[in-house]
Amino acid sequence: EPEVTQTPSHQVTQMGQEVILRCVPISNHLYFYWYRQILGQKVEFLVSFYNNEISEKSEIFDDQFSVERPDGSNFTLKIRSTKLEDSAMYFCASKNSVNTGELFFGEGSRLTVL
Amino acid sequence: DQQVKQNSPSLSVQEGRISILNCDYTNSMFDYFLWYKKYPAEGPTFLISISSIKDKNEDGRFTVFLNKSAKHLSLHIVPSQPGDSAVYFCAASSNYGQNFVFGPGTRLSVLP
Repeated sequence: EPEVTQTPSHQVTQMGQEVILRCVPISNHLYFYWYRQILGQKVEFLVSFYNNEISEKSEIFDDQFSVERPDGSNFTLKIRSTKLEDSAMYFCASKNSVNTGELFFGEGSRLTVL
Repeated sequence: DQQVKQNSPSLSVQEGRISILNCDYTNSMFDYFLWYKKYPAEGPTFLISISSIKDKNEDGRFTVFLNKSAKHLSLHIVPSQPGDSAVYFCAASSNYGQNFVFGPGTRLSVLP
């Protein structure tokens, strides 16, 4: 069964460092998303991406965040200068149609900022 | 501003009985709803969806009911199994499946 894969599964970084989280969405999917879940809190939308551009982003997705689809398969989330409050589980998701259809989530990348 | 609420943080049910998980929303523009199950250290897994043109959708042991006037939906699991023990998230979207807003989740424990 096709799945969304994410790397790394866990990354520990120092405050102020840059982090790149990687995702390989399901191959025929066209819509890509990043969500995050701070420990003990709800899953929060960060950004959606379609046709090589951001289609929507939340207030959380400020100038420190960026996304990219550098090739035909990877979808990355970059945090330029990490803060303590960026510590969370980051989930990548994809789906194949704009309307209806469920999001398929990866298993997440845990980011710990010290 | 919680647009999607799951007021029960946890629920315990005996194996074989019905589990009912509730979700309320405030945004009347929401027209597509999903339920996800999440195990620790894993990503959310899709369970079942419903669009606002329906009031019920059934898939095996899982049934979702939507009451648009009350802005309320519920997930019924019958019969409940120990493997159903997980955190269940309700998610809602406007524009039929664009970006989703998640509720805070309900932890279901099914006791053998």
